[in-house]
Amino acid sequence: DSGVTQTPKHLITATGQRVTLRCSPRSGDLSVYWYQQSLDQGLQFLIQYYNGEERAKGNILERFSAQQFPDLHSELNLSSLELGDSALYFCASSDWTSGDLEQFFGPGTRLTVL
Amino acid sequence: AQSVTQLGSHVSVSEGALVLLRCNYSSSVPPYLFWYVQYPNQGLQLLLKYTSAATLVKGINDFEAEFKKSETSFHLTKPSAHMSDAAEYFCAVNRAGGTSYGKLTFGQGTILTVHP
Repeated sequence: DSGVTQTPKHLITATGQRVTLRCSPRSGDLSVYWYQQSLDQGLQFLIQYYNGEERAKGNILERFSAQQFPDLHSELNLSSLELGDSALYFCASSDWTSGDLEQFFGPGTRLTVL
Repeated sequence: AQSVTQLGSHVSVSEGALVLLRCNYSSSVPPYLFWYVQYPNQGLQLLLKYTSAATLVKGINDFEAEFKKSETSFHLTKPSAHMSDAAEYFCAVNRAGGTSYGKLTFGQGTILTVHP
């Protein structure tokens, strides 16, 4: 158990819909990362937040947005969903300030868009 | 820019045989390198990491990797494969220094199959 929790575990929805994925980092970790894992693209970095502020952005679509709340949990919002958005979405956290670059991954949310 | 190439999307070994999973990286600054393992329907678990200390890194479950700057490689090895090692393995690079510690860049993954 990494200490990172993600809900829900599975999500099935239809095209055009909007969903929210939730992540709680390890206790004490200020940095949260979101990754997408799909068969065709592999593991792709989406976005990083540190203590409520956006720090780095990767291949994140404009239809996707994220935020980190004062209690440090994070949400990834996916809107106008398309079939190609079906993937496993991982959240990871790290203690960025200590210089420890290890990221601890949650179990993921499997999104299926029908 | 940084990138990772894993040679071989599938590797098959017999139980008890040597495991060798190959990873080459590209980075304009000294890299931090990681190997993660993903078991079916689970998240990623860190096996080991290289953060500019010893070039030979030992990880969990008898895995180890050697950082070779001249070859830009960070290959993962295990002397004797167990059935429980069957999983997908990912090599990743994180840029050392600067303001962007965040982004892990992953290789495409190598699925390890272990035969009895």
